Amino acid sequence: AQSVSQHNHHVILSEAASLELGCNYSYGGTVNLFWYVQYPGQHLQLLLKYFSGDPLVKGIKGFEAEFIKSKFSFNLRKPSVQWSDTAEYFCAVSSTSGTYKYIFGTGTRLKVLA
Amino acid sequence: DVKVTQSSRYLVKRTGEKVFLECVQDMDHENMFWYRQDPGLGLRLIYFSYDVKMKEKGDIPEGYSVSREKKERFSLILESASTNQTSMYLCASSSRTGENEKLFFGSGTQLSVL
Repeated sequence: AQSVSQHNHHVILSEAASLELGCNYSYGGTVNLFWYVQYPGQHLQLLLKYFSGDPLVKGIKGFEAEFIKSKFSFNLRKPSVQWSDTAEYFCAVSSTSGTYKYIFGTGTRLKVLA
Repeated sequence: DVKVTQSSRYLVKRTGEKVFLECVQDMDHENMFWYRQDPGLGLRLIYFSYDVKMKEKGDIPEGYSVSREKKERFSLILESASTNQTSMYLCASSSRTGENEKLFFGSGTQLSVL
């Protein structure tokens, strides 16, 4: 069955701390991978995505993620978080073979303390 | 900028009522999606559509139906609302443009079924 697992449901960090959010997926075939973010009171928006090529991808606001195919993982990282990074983060996967179906993880709520 | 507009931000309905949630996108996207977002469960796919009059079941289609008579509009229908359908409903759209593929989300409809 297709699924996406996010290991951390709630994370609390102080400003300037480093962040790593885990994401593992189970999906047959070749996949596209995404991280979406939902800031308080705002709609979901794309943070970064991986389609092919360099497995280390960079997104907006200093975020990056690394695709490790052997581990079926796509972990999100940021070296130094800011208070404004407080949000809910969702990992998602879609198939490259045109089923157009996106599967999301359960989300991680990040709170950054000023 | 792409706009995905959901007709209502908040809705309160009674058990057994028929409920229509409307979604319109203005970027001529082929694919449209309905998700529900619940705390701790993330986003779960209800239905999606990859063309006019085409629809595919997602992971939790029970109790829901959809309609896509025009490319820009994708409606979610609750034939007989129940309290366990109280949730945030998110509409999204995307195009089939390969590397530019991403989901654009609406602001969501918070539905309460009493």
